[in-house]
Amino acid sequence: SQKIEQNSEALNIQEGKTATLTCNYTNYSPAYLQWYRQDPGRGPVFLLLIRENEKEKRKERLKVTFDTTLKQSLFHITASQPADSATYLCALGETGGFKTIFGAGTRLFVKA
Amino acid sequence: EADIYQTPRYLVIGTGKKITLECSQTMGHDKMYWYQQDPGMELHLIHYSYGVNSTEKGDLSSESTVSRIRTEHFPLTLESARPSHTSQYLCASSDGGRGRDQPQHFGDGTRLSIL
Repeated sequence: SQKIEQNSEALNIQEGKTATLTCNYTNYSPAYLQWYRQDPGRGPVFLLLIRENEKEKRKERLKVTFDTTLKQSLFHITASQPADSATYLCALGETGGFKTIFGAGTRLFVKA
Repeated sequence: EADIYQTPRYLVIGTGKKITLECSQTMGHDKMYWYQQDPGMELHLIHYSYGVNSTEKGDLSSESTVSRIRTEHFPLTLESARPSHTSQYLCASSDGGRGRDQPQHFGDGTRLSIL
């Protein structure tokens, strides 16, 4: 069956460290992956897009990698801050498909 | 900074009532979506639209209906609410003219509780 897996357990890290979140997928052929941030009681906010022919994308303190062999995307936040605490969702869109499919997200807590 | 608006933010209502959840966007986006999200769970697509007069059902079976008479407006209606409809409903839009991988812009959702 098709599935997107993100760590269901929360990730707790110390301020200033790098947070690394994982998104694994099964039985999909993604044309692209997106990462979103969602705060409690709010809708998701788009952060980064990476396409199937790209290995890595960066934006300020954020970095995303995409490994189609491992069927995995990693999302990194460097020099993390308490304000980075939120749930991070990965989402993918398949080649030839219309919809974007979302994972359940990983909750990140950054302690001061 | 939000350009997509959902009302009401919260709604507590009794079983059997007719409910309309409103969603409007000011970005001129062609594509619009409705998702259902329960706590700690993934977003499930329940309806989407390519443009005016276009509506399609998503993956998750839903007893709701939608309409798209104007580009900016995509309301969702439940004819007779039941406790199983209790959930958070998120509306989103994206720029269909710029490619399939365009990000979705979300509203802050309606948290619906059916008693």
